[in-house]
Amino acid sequence: DTGVSQNPRHKITKRGQNVTFRCDPISEHNRLYWYRQTLGQGPEFLTYFQNEAQLEKSRLLSDRFSAERPKGSFSTLEIQRTEQGDSAMYLCASSPRGRGDNNEQYFGPGTRLTVT
Amino acid sequence: GIQVEQSPPDLILQEGANSTLRCNFSDSVNNLQWFHQNPWGQLINLFYIPSGTKQNGRLSATTVATERYSLLYISSSQTTDSGVYFCAVVNRGGGATNKLIFGTGTLLAVQP
Repeated sequence: DTGVSQNPRHKITKRGQNVTFRCDPISEHNRLYWYRQTLGQGPEFLTYFQNEAQLEKSRLLSDRFSAERPKGSFSTLEIQRTEQGDSAMYLCASSPRGRGDNNEQYFGPGTRLTVT
Repeated sequence: GIQVEQSPPDLILQEGANSTLRCNFSDSVNNLQWFHQNPWGQLINLFYIPSGTKQNGRLSATTVATERYSLLYISSSQTTDSGVYFCAVVNRGGGATNKLIFGTGTLLAVQP
């Protein structure tokens, strides 16, 4: 198992453009999370999938953001009409179908977005 | 919502020294994880420790859930230990999502 992977690792875009990031979780992990981390801060929760169902979205996820997880495998996060405030590291995590409260999350390397 | 505070915010050590990082949380938790974030941004899992004590090499961690704190011990520190250490919790009353709430982090610099 190669862990959680994310692509691209870096993305530079101009304000107003759309961007899409991809996350491939650890195989057989049914839970997938997106977080965002800005400079000097800890990661903040954006959204959660259990299999293909998106079960929670943070208020941080404005209507310009959309996430999908077709067939409960990889996930994509799209940002439309990017703004400079969207510049951040976007992290994906996955966790196994745990028993009880076992929910150790494993993170990918992140996608660093810079909006110019 | 639950508050997660870490101390100290910054720490400078000489190689070989020991250190203790603390994480305080304001409500009951189902899950607590310690991470090391390397200079490239990768979050590396150190411990999954909602309660009790665990050890892994030079690192160990203790969580006292009833008193709402966790400690991370680093012994015989090495320059490769440098980076940011995060504590993250899942609030017991936070619903079924199991989203992690991260602390403020401790920035550790180990000097040769």
